[in-house]
Amino acid sequence: DAGITQSPRYKITETGRQVTLMCHQTWSHSYMFWYRQDLGHGLRLIYYSAAADITDKGEVPDGYVVSRSKTENFPLTLESATRSQTSVYFCASISGQGYGYTFGSGTRLTVV
Amino acid sequence: AQKITQTQPGMFVQEKEAVTLDCTYDTSDQSYGLFWYKQPSSGEMIFLIYQGSYDEQNATEGRYSLNFQKARKSANLVISASQLGDSAMYFCAMREGNSNSGYALNFGKGTSLLVTP
Repeated sequence: DAGITQSPRYKITETGRQVTLMCHQTWSHSYMFWYRQDLGHGLRLIYYSAAADITDKGEVPDGYVVSRSKTENFPLTLESATRSQTSVYFCASISGQGYGYTFGSGTRLTVV
Repeated sequence: AQKITQTQPGMFVQEKEAVTLDCTYDTSDQSYGLFWYKQPSSGEMIFLIYQGSYDEQNATEGRYSLNFQKARKSANLVISASQLGDSAMYFCAMREGNSNSGYALNFGKGTSLLVTP
């Protein structure tokens, strides 16, 4: 099925380890986004990308790195995971202006 | 500054009754879009309804309608004839018109709705 695939769905990692969350979309959408969802905060933007090789910070970028070498992939890397990064992470995409945002199913990350 | 404010952390409604979920927003853009999403306990984000800032009519989608009051910067979601399956978290979100933020959505903190029999 076309859409956005996030992997893994669940991940437990240890403090200090590097972990990468994957996001793959089949729509060829230009814009892609990473959000984190925490109780009491809603969804907060971590990073976004307007096209391949164009990325920019969102509201809460510290401790995260992104890349976008291909239009369809937008991985999110936690370089040295901390317990405060325990969260549910959502990837999303859209072709441009409009209202057809597509969301992935989310990755539940636990840092112990 | 918070761009989307949802003042109701939790709401109860009885089945078959109507319920209004509040949302106010803050922007200086003339062109923007307002969204409502539903997140059931399974976790996926489900798009419900969209209102563009230039749309003169309130958006409707089945049992969902958006009460758009531009001067008050208000975009309340009205769910008519509530069903048990409407129990979920509801998020209001805004996209501002320029591409400076890559058309990212700004979300409110959400309202948890519980529909009771």
